[in-house]
Amino acid sequence: KAGVTQTPRYLIKTRGQQVTLSCSPISGHRSVSWYQQTPGQGLQFLFEYFSETQRNKGNFPGRFSGRQFSNSRSEMNVSTLELGDSALYLCASSEPGTSEAFFGQGTRLTVV
Amino acid sequence: AQSVTQLGSHVSVSEGALVLLRCNYSSSVPPYLFWYVQYPNQGLQLLLKYTTGATLVKGINGFEAEFKKSETSFHLTKPSAHMSDAAEYFCAVSASYGSASKIIFGSGTRLSIRP
Repeated sequence: KAGVTQTPRYLIKTRGQQVTLSCSPISGHRSVSWYQQTPGQGLQFLFEYFSETQRNKGNFPGRFSGRQFSNSRSEMNVSTLELGDSALYLCASSEPGTSEAFFGQGTRLTVV
Repeated sequence: AQSVTQLGSHVSVSEGALVLLRCNYSSSVPPYLFWYVQYPNQGLQLLLKYTTGATLVKGINGFEAEFKKSETSFHLTKPSAHMSDAAEYFCAVSASYGSASKIIFGSGTRLSIRP
């Protein structure tokens, strides 16, 4: 089985712009979660999607949003980028009925 | 609420020596515990997990961890360190088996291996 695929791997954006990150889960996995990783805050949960519905949300401003498509692929969007949004964004997928998360390699976002 | 505390942000051991990475958890319900490893510029890879049953859990790459409820600990060990073990290790807890959402991660421990 192919693993979790995140695209792109690297992004450089300017403050005020918006960005969309993509995640393709492992085939058969219907749950997709997003995490932000920074040196200062560590790994923080952003949100989880299951069957195209947001099931859980972390403590992030409304500039961070996401969606999931019928094929379980997910996108997250960050609008009005700030310097502090620079981070590694990780996507994880899981099989129904388990809490074992499989992570992608992440998208490194740099805001300048 | 669930949380994990990793003791020591950086651990350095000699090649061939015992690796011990410490993790204590806090959970109001029976926890599901994990150890993940992250190599530079990579995502997280699951090393091992504890859900229920046997308290000594064996994982990949020769790592194992013991769940000790009385000490609320889930320390990660490996008898003999290898240079390829150099990475960052994260202990994590989930209160909800059946959902991978809202896994709470520790702050991480960077493991260095001395030749």
